[in-house]
Amino acid sequence: NAGVTQTPKFRILKIGQSMTLQCTQDMNHNYMYWYRQDPGMGLKLIYYSVGAGITDKGEVPNGYNVSRSTTEDFPLRLELAAPSQTSVYFCASSRQGAGANVLTFGAGSRLTVL
Amino acid sequence: GESVGLHLPTLSVQEGDNSIINCAYSNSASDYFIWYKQESGKGPQFIIDIRSNMDKRQGQRVTVLLNKTVKHLSLQIAATQPGDSAVYFCAEKPGYQKVTFGTGTKLQVIP
Repeated sequence: NAGVTQTPKFRILKIGQSMTLQCTQDMNHNYMYWYRQDPGMGLKLIYYSVGAGITDKGEVPNGYNVSRSTTEDFPLRLELAAPSQTSVYFCASSRQGAGANVLTFGAGSRLTVL
Repeated sequence: GESVGLHLPTLSVQEGDNSIINCAYSNSASDYFIWYKQESGKGPQFIIDIRSNMDKRQGQRVTVLLNKTVKHLSLQIAATQPGDSAVYFCAEKPGYQKVTFGTGTKLQVIP
């Protein structure tokens, strides 16, 4: 199994541009998450979803949008990119219930906004 | 708000020695405490978790200890190997809420 797949791995954006980070998982997990990780820091939750059609905000949702039309896919959209959004973005998925402790992460997408 | 934090940002350990990574938490309502390992350039990987009604749990070469009296969590790694070099995050999960991550401790294994 591929697990959690993120694309692209690297991207450079100009201020004001928009883009979508793609995330797909093949483990039939109900829960999916987007985190950002700034250099030398921990992970901050941007958005999460507990199932298709259901999304909710995390700690730092401003400047981002998500959708969950299928169980497998959870894209993250950046509108009007700003330098403060320069970060590494991680998508993760998990089962629900007690299994929600075990997040499976993708390899990350490194975004630079200039 | 409530948070999970770590005492030491960097820990250097001689290969073969035991490592102890510490974590302080403040949310007494958390049901689970979890440790993740993040190798350079990769996403975090689940290591072990412990339920709040336990004080010790062992895995392969790892042991997690939970002291609810002082709100302290630790991860012990036996016979530390070069492959253990990584950043270790403690995390907590209160009930049906999301997993919240701490800042992380970098473990450097000296050959």
